[in-house]
Formats: sequence, structure tokens, C-alpha cells
Amino acid sequence: SYVLTQPPSVSVAPGQTARITCGGSNIRSQSVHWYQQMAGQAPVVVVFDDSDRPSGIPERFSGSNSGNMATLTIRRVEAGDEADYYCQVWDISTDHLVFGGGTKLTVL
Amino acid sequence: QITLKESGPTLVKPTQTLTLTCSFSGFSLSTSGVGVGWIRQPPGKALEWLALIYWSDDKRYSPSLRNRLTITKDTSKNQVVLTLTNMDPVDTATYYCAHRRPGYNLFNYWGQGTLVTVSS
Repeated sequence: SYVLTQPPSVSVAPGQTARITCGGSNIRSQSVHWYQQMAGQAPVVVVFDDSDRPSGIPERFSGSNSGNMATLTIRRVEAGDEADYYCQVWDISTDHLVFGGGTKLTVL
Repeated sequence: QITLKESGPTLVKPTQTLTLTCSFSGFSLSTSGVGVGWIRQPPGKALEWLALIYWSDDKRYSPSLRNRLTITKDTSKNQVVLTLTNMDPVDTATYYCAHRRPGYNLFNYWGQGTLVTVSS
């Protein structure tokens, strides 16, 4: 089955840029979606189809996908961005949905 | 406005069958492209996709749990039901139902989740 690999944690100072990676075999051929999950809450989509943003999501959130790695980039990080972030794809070969293991973003 | 809410037991015993109901509003599961999925999250751990049912009644299951899961829909009641057999303490988790965005394989609306504990 398809595996998505994320770093367990990323730390960044306020105002800096956070980059959260999501590795998968030839992931560039997949559409990658990113969720933000605040403590005790349900996940929310922050980026879909690699780089699109739902309405209401700040422009500070962006995504890219190339080769074997997709990346969620959060610019000008704020304390309120502290959360767990998950990447997700639909594995076309098996017709199953897959989540990454999640990355905890800590704002120093 | 799309809303979803999970309901079911908060405590089940090992070997029992878990039955969860997702009650939703703001959309119809008879509309082309629509789907409802189930996702769970053990305490302090990652999200795990369980199952997805489409408007057409087509269904998809997590490969690792396929032989224990059943997902069904009742379009007239706006409900989706998930059953998970032979419960084990490792199945302790918050269970979420979520709306699949038509045309996309992602969940754009989620319920609040319900914590199910497996213990004797």
C-alpha cells in the first residue's frame, strides 16, 4: 500500500517560514491535500490539489508537489498556526485514501 | 450549511461490534459525486482512514481493516452507518465522519468526532 512519510515535528520562530514535507513514491503523480488539526478539534483543509487554497485560508499557506516530495509552506508563522498537519492522497493504484503520519508544528 | 455528527456508544467491550451513526444535513447522498467517509484517530496518534461510501452506493475500505468494516447509507434519513466487528483495545479512538467534496478525494467538512473506548 502507498505510504506517506512526514517528519514528526517542525519548530519555527514567529514570523519565519515553516516547511512541512510529505514523502511518497512518485507523489508528483498524485493530488496532495493538507489538513490542519488544532488540539481537540477536527481537521480542516488548508491546501488541496497540491497548491490550491480553500476560501478563508490565508495566503500564507501554500503547497507544492514535485518528484517524491510534497511540501506545505507556511509563511510569516503565527502562534495560532501551532497544530498538527497531515498530508493526504487518494492512491489511484489501490483506490484507497491515505494519510501521512502527521507533523506537529511548534511555534517557538 | 453542511454539518455532520457522529453518535454511538462511548464504551464497548473487547470482541463486541461497534456501530456508529453519522447524521448529516446540508447535502444529499443521492447527489452525484457526493460521499461520506469515516476516519479515526487513536489518542495522541495520527489520522487513519477507514471507509468511504459514494452516492452510487459504491464503497471503499481500508485494506488493513476491510474484513471487519461495513459501511452503509440510508439516504432517506441522511445517515451513514459504520460497523466495526471484534473490537480490541487498540481500536480505542476518536471516530470522525466527514463529507467528501464532490470531484475531489478529500474531506471538506467533518463532524466533531466521538471518542470510543474499548475496555472490559
